[in-house]
Amino acid sequence: QKEVEQNSGPLSVPEGAIASLNCTYSDRGSQSFFWYRQYSGKSPELIMFIYSNGDKEDGRFTAQLNKASQYVSLLIRDSQPSDSATYLCAVAIAGGTSYGKLTFGQGTILTVHP
Amino acid sequence: GAVVSQHPSRVICKSGTSVKIECRSLDFQATTMFWYRQFPKQSLMLMATSNEGSKATYEQGVEKDKFLINHASLTLSTLTVTSAHPEDSSFYICSARGAGVDTQYFGPGTRLTVL
Repeated sequence: QKEVEQNSGPLSVPEGAIASLNCTYSDRGSQSFFWYRQYSGKSPELIMFIYSNGDKEDGRFTAQLNKASQYVSLLIRDSQPSDSATYLCAVAIAGGTSYGKLTFGQGTILTVHP
Repeated sequence: GAVVSQHPSRVICKSGTSVKIECRSLDFQATTMFWYRQFPKQSLMLMATSNEGSKATYEQGVEKDKFLINHASLTLSTLTVTSAHPEDSSFYICSARGAGVDTQYFGPGTRLTVL
């Protein structure tokens, strides 16, 4: 079982719709959760991080965390063609020798079509 | 804030040569820097973690003698690929993290092509 799993997609949504990206993780000791966006040929760009159960909103983006279900998601409202990219879910555990290390999912390719 | 730079952005070299990649945090002190490698259509693979003033910690399967990492200051880490071979061709990305936080900020990456 992979430590961080994402549906690789591609996920295709029309412009203006809500895109929903999902991620599950296996380590119950995970404390911090991140969503990065990566355009083709570029490095990852941080979109949001979330530490606590519930929702966290930032502009058109909402991150949702459910630690009991070991599930984190990213909603993108009013999707735009410029949102077309690979979205990476990353998880960090709190302590021990792996402190600060991120484990990445394989990424979900999102395509927003006009 | 939280800007990380990398240099060079692209390098082409002959097999057997060594290549040095620099990673700098421009507006914060990076107590920890991470080096990743990414092959086409694959996710990021962590190569090593370096803390300022300490030896780097390498992930399993990563040769420490081939990928030399130095983190001499709170704003600079370097990765040297020694005796590069075509199979080392990849996208190398660094990230930096400040003290007491988990968030990593990524540099723009270095695309290495070994002929």
